[in-house]
Amino acid sequence: AQKVTQAQTEISVVEKEDVTLDCVYETRDTTYYLFWYKQPPSGELVFLIRRNSFDEQNEISGRYSWNFQKSTSSFNFTITASQVVDSAVYFCALSGGSGTYKYIFGTGTRLKVLA
Amino acid sequence: DAGITQSPRHKVTETGTPVTLRCHQTENHRYMYWYRQDPGHGLRLIHYSYGVKDTDKGEVSDGYSVSRSKTEDFLLTLESATSSQTSVYFCAISESRGSSGNTDTQYFGPGTRLTVL
Repeated sequence: AQKVTQAQTEISVVEKEDVTLDCVYETRDTTYYLFWYKQPPSGELVFLIRRNSFDEQNEISGRYSWNFQKSTSSFNFTITASQVVDSAVYFCALSGGSGTYKYIFGTGTRLKVLA
Repeated sequence: DAGITQSPRHKVTETGTPVTLRCHQTENHRYMYWYRQDPGHGLRLIHYSYGVKDTDKGEVSDGYSVSRSKTEDFLLTLESATSSQTSVYFCAISESRGSSGNTDTQYFGPGTRLTVL
């Protein structure tokens, strides 16, 4: 069975602090995909990144970076120098690559960035 | 932004009444999905469609039905709404599977907030 765990329910940081959101996954598939989505207070779901299981390179996009480690089944998300606009709920999701299009979502981490 | 709209955006209804939510896309994507979002559960898949008239169940399909008569429209119906179906409902779309069989990214609509009294 596939599972995604986001153990941090809520995190509060002060603006300009760095923050890491954890995502741990379980799957028996050898090919799979991992995703992060952002849900700001306005409620829409915004796609941030997709990573496949064969690509363990870390990725950086501006202040955002992602650390994928198959050895620990983790796909963590770091925001550097956080800003108030980063306040949102962040979801990690997993999809198997062998004929399924179903995403399994974690329960989300609410990030509050205080000015 | 992916061209996905959902209607209505908000609805309040009473227990036992039928409700239909509509998802409309302008991207001509083959795959469409319905999720519900509840506190403590993240998003859970209700039903999905892999083509016109081709649908399948997700993990929380009881009490819901879907239909897809056109590529651009995916309807979610609650035959007899219950209070447990109070939730935020999201539609998502993804492109066709691709030659390598990889899972394509899902893009989400703005959501429909449904309250069943």
